[in-house]
Formats: sequence, C-alpha cells, structure tokens
Amino acid sequence: ETGVTQTPRHLVMGMTNKKSLKCEQHLGHNAMYWYKQSAKKPLELMFVYSLEERVENNSVPSRFSPECPNSSHLFLHLHTLQPEDSALYLCASSQDWWGTDTQYFGPGTRLTVL
Amino acid sequence: KNQVEQSPQSLIILEGKNCTLQCNYTVSPFSNLRWYKQDTGRGPVSLTIMTFSENTKSNGRYTATLDADTKQSSLHITASQLSDSASYICVVSATSGSARQLTFGSGTQLTVLP
Repeated sequence: ETGVTQTPRHLVMGMTNKKSLKCEQHLGHNAMYWYKQSAKKPLELMFVYSLEERVENNSVPSRFSPECPNSSHLFLHLHTLQPEDSALYLCASSQDWWGTDTQYFGPGTRLTVL
Repeated sequence: KNQVEQSPQSLIILEGKNCTLQCNYTVSPFSNLRWYKQDTGRGPVSLTIMTFSENTKSNGRYTATLDADTKQSSLHITASQLSDSASYICVVSATSGSARQLTFGSGTQLTVLP
C-alpha cells in the first residue's frame, strides 16, 4: 500500500466523452503530480501542484484539465481526447516539490480512447 | 538537452543469477539520481536515491553505484528472484535555484525465469 490511490483503474472512452480521473493521497504530502506513461517511452510529467497551486504545466494540450481542490486530492478532467492519448496515467505525491523528495506513485489509470 | 539513457532495453535472466542495469545521463546541474522499480500494473516504487557525493548505496539485494564524473549509474541485482521481474527506471533530478527538472529514462524491462 503506497498511500496513493487512483480511480478508476481502467477507463474506456470515446473521443467525444468527458471523464475525470481521481487521485487521493493519505501521506500528508504537499506536492502532487500527473504523469503519462506510454509503452516503451519515458514517463512524461504533465502537471505539478504544490500546496494546491499549479507550479508546472509541461505543454499539455488543453483537452487535459487538472484540478487540485486540496492537498490530498487531484483530478484530471478529460474531454475530446484522441486515440494517441491512450496510456497509463499515474498520479504521485511527495513531501514538497523540491526535486529531492521521494515520489510515491499510485497504481495508475489505464485509459483507452476509441 | 537533459537526457537519460538506459540499457539494455530488456533483459532475461534465470532465477538466482546476478545482473546489472545501466543508466547514462546528461543532466545538469545534477541534484540526485533515483532508481525506481515498476511492477506490471502498478506505479513505480523508489529503490534508492544517490546524491553527488555518494558512490554506492545498497537496499537489500539491490546495489546502486554512481560515477558523477562519467555521469553513469548502475543497478546491480544479486541472486535474482522471480519477484524482481519488473521495469527499472532511472530518474535524474536537476535543481538550479527555484528551477527543478526531473528527467526519466525509458526503463529496462527485466524478466526473471525459473
């Protein structure tokens, strides 16, 4: 048990659907992250939140919209996705956004866009 | 451009054998280097973290080395077990003032056969 949970674990959606991914951390951390993991590619950092403020947005298309209502919860809202967006989406948290802290990852949401 | 290259891309060994995974990086300014283990269907879990001044660090049967001069790291697994089958990801952190960047390798997929 890593202390970071993600729901749903699997999601299949059409290109016109709107869905949301949820992440919750029970570790008392101040920083939370969204990553995209595609087959045989390095993890791609999408968004970073520190103390509920977005501190990094790595040129992610606007069809991905993050939300961090408090330091324990992080959402990724999805709309009008493309088939190439199919991937494993990982949430992580760390004590602070300093680059030296260990990140604790959730199990991921396997997303398939038809 | 900051890069992390891992080799081999995949590796198959027999249970009980040793193996070594490689990570070469061109990240500057270097802050630390981590090895993560990612089991199938799970998020990555941190194995070790190494800073500039550390040459070797062990975590059970896992031993990481760092040569900051040549910008190389290795992860040695001793007496492999079936549960070692996973993807091993090298992550290098760069920190300069308030700027922070994590660069991920593509991972080495290790399969341990009985």
